[in-house]
Amino acid sequence: AQKVTQAQTEISVVEKEDVTLDCVYETRDTTYYLFWYKQPPSGELVFLIRRNSFDEQNEISGRYSWNFQKSTSSFNFTITASQVVDSAVYFCALRSYGGSQGNLIFGKGTKLSVKP
Amino acid sequence: EAQVTQNPRYLITVTGKKLTVTCSQNMNHEYMSWYRQDPGLGLRQIYYSMNVEVTDKGDVPEGYKVSRKEKRNFPLILESPSPNQTSLYFCASSPQGGGVYTFGSGTRLTVV
Repeated sequence: AQKVTQAQTEISVVEKEDVTLDCVYETRDTTYYLFWYKQPPSGELVFLIRRNSFDEQNEISGRYSWNFQKSTSSFNFTITASQVVDSAVYFCALRSYGGSQGNLIFGKGTKLSVKP
Repeated sequence: EAQVTQNPRYLITVTGKKLTVTCSQNMNHEYMSWYRQDPGLGLRQIYYSMNVEVTDKGDVPEGYKVSRKEKRNFPLILESPSPNQTSLYFCASSPQGGGVYTFGSGTRLTVV
């Protein structure tokens, strides 16, 4: 069975702190994709990044970076120098390439609060 | 503009009164999906569709119906809504092959 675990339910930091959101996944598929989405207080779901299972290179986009490690089945997300606008719920998600590729499995999300 | 449009944004209804939430995408995506979001439970998939006339159950399909008669539309039907279906619903679409799902703005449904 496929599963995504975000163990941190809520995190609170002060502006300019670095913060890492953890994501651990389970799948038997060899080809799969991992995603992060952001849900700000306004409620929409905003795509942040997609990674396929064959690409373990870390990625950096501005203050955001992602660390994908197949050996530990983790896909962690770090925000450097956090800002109040980063306050949101962040979801990690998994999608197979195989038979159930329509099925995007989400973790339960981590609510990040960044205080000024 | 590429988007997924779902309507209505807000809906309050009474138990047992059939309702339909519409979803439409303009990106010619093969895959479409419905999710519900509840506090503490994250997003759970209700149904998804791989193409016209091809649908499959997600994790929480009970009490819902879907149809995919046209590629762009994927309505969610609640034949007899109950209070436990009060939730925030999202429609999404994606290209095949592990593509990114684009989400609609959400429908907040309250069943009293």
